[in-house]
Amino acid sequence: DTEVTQTPKHLVMGMTNKKSLKCEQHMGHRAMYWYKQKAKKPPELMFVYSYEKLSINESVPSRFSPECPNSSLLNLHLHALQPEDSALYLCASSPELGQMFYEQYFGPGTRLTVT
Amino acid sequence: AQTVTQSQPEMSVQEAETVTLSCTYDTSENNYYLFWYKQPPSRQMILVIRQEAYKQQNATENRFSVNFQKAAKSFSLKISDSQLGDTAMYFCAFPDTGNQFYFGTGTSLTVIP
Repeated sequence: DTEVTQTPKHLVMGMTNKKSLKCEQHMGHRAMYWYKQKAKKPPELMFVYSYEKLSINESVPSRFSPECPNSSLLNLHLHALQPEDSALYLCASSPELGQMFYEQYFGPGTRLTVT
Repeated sequence: AQTVTQSQPEMSVQEAETVTLSCTYDTSENNYYLFWYKQPPSRQMILVIRQEAYKQQNATENRFSVNFQKAAKSFSLKISDSQLGDTAMYFCAFPDTGNQFYFGTGTSLTVIP
């Protein structure tokens, strides 16, 4: 199983809502990533988890709150978002951090619209 | 930090023809890897091909091959016998020692029937 799954596929939320994005992988990977991607642009790294601990936070606003409950699951909690946060949110995983030859496996993404 | 540049925002190619997408990068590392990823419209990003910097031989995966010029820090992707399913955004990616990926700005490729 070389799949990273993400739910929901689409999400529309108001600026006062609280919602969560979910990502799951069953490849035994110990590194997991959240990216934000605008149309026709490359993914921008938001957070990296390694062995369920937050390793990298790319100065992301606190209205985005990541969580890694176990080695297979990654959540992104959203609260009080702005319209400019509308984007495709991608989850990815790789076997480990610190090894350049590992590819990252990407999920299909959650298309988020903030109204 | 590493930098990755893709100088062709958009390209098109006739079906069955060959097209080359360019990528240049900057690094002080001697041993590293380079990747090309493909992101079809509304579909998942997938790895196309991977090149190891210390290998002289250019990587090949079926219709996809790279032209890796280490001294010039150039890593271009050649797609032979282009198919409609090759229509996608293509990103060149460079992982640092922590496996954090630096992506190029992307090339939008359209295959014309």
